[in-house]
Amino acid sequence: GAVVSQHPSWVICKSGTSVKIECRSLDFQATTMFWYRQFPKQSLMLMATSNEGSKATYEQGVEKDKFLINHASLTLSTLTVTSAHPEDSSFYICSARVGGGRSPNEKLFFGSGTQLSVL
Amino acid sequence: GENVEQHPSTLSVQEGDSAVIKCTYSDSASNYFPWYKQELGKRPQLIIDIRSNVGEKKDQRIAVTLNKTAKHFSLHITETQPEDSAVYFCAASHGGNKLVFGAGTILRVKS
Repeated sequence: GAVVSQHPSWVICKSGTSVKIECRSLDFQATTMFWYRQFPKQSLMLMATSNEGSKATYEQGVEKDKFLINHASLTLSTLTVTSAHPEDSSFYICSARVGGGRSPNEKLFFGSGTQLSVL
Repeated sequence: GENVEQHPSTLSVQEGDSAVIKCTYSDSASNYFPWYKQELGKRPQLIIDIRSNVGEKKDQRIAVTLNKTAKHFSLHITETQPEDSAVYFCAASHGGNKLVFGAGTILRVKS
């Protein structure tokens, strides 16, 4: 399958600081990437859809000013957690769509995830 | 919007037995149904998927069935092995839209 790289794999930061997470498609171009959040023993909750060259689409209840998404190229999307607080501690994981749009061969591949701990 | 329900939440089977996980979806327009396996602290891995133009798909010990009329699909794992132990997620989407995930099933294979 396609390779999606995500960095960092874990990060510990102080409350009030900002953290940037990168998601890269290594062997394909991804016009659309997705950012999920996952709490322990729970499912993946979609936070936002990141579209190359345009603004991200946020899910209901997700603060767009707190979770800044930038998709400046066809292989890179970044999620910045601004002014992080302990309640933002979670596993953040990105995914990229291969064969996007209405392609009958479309599949979704995930990055390795980032465990964020805010002290 | 789409809603996906997954059952059971936990499943314990003896090594060598079969495991079945079931999901139902609400949006009749959904046409893509992948299954992901996630080990602790790792990324979800796509293990099999099915599209609405077929009713069944098989890949070695793993198979997925789809009943569009009833709006449910199932994952079947035969001859289970300890390394099959993980969390399994079903998902549904249509027309390239976002995937909606089920709540997950913790599968434990006892040796």
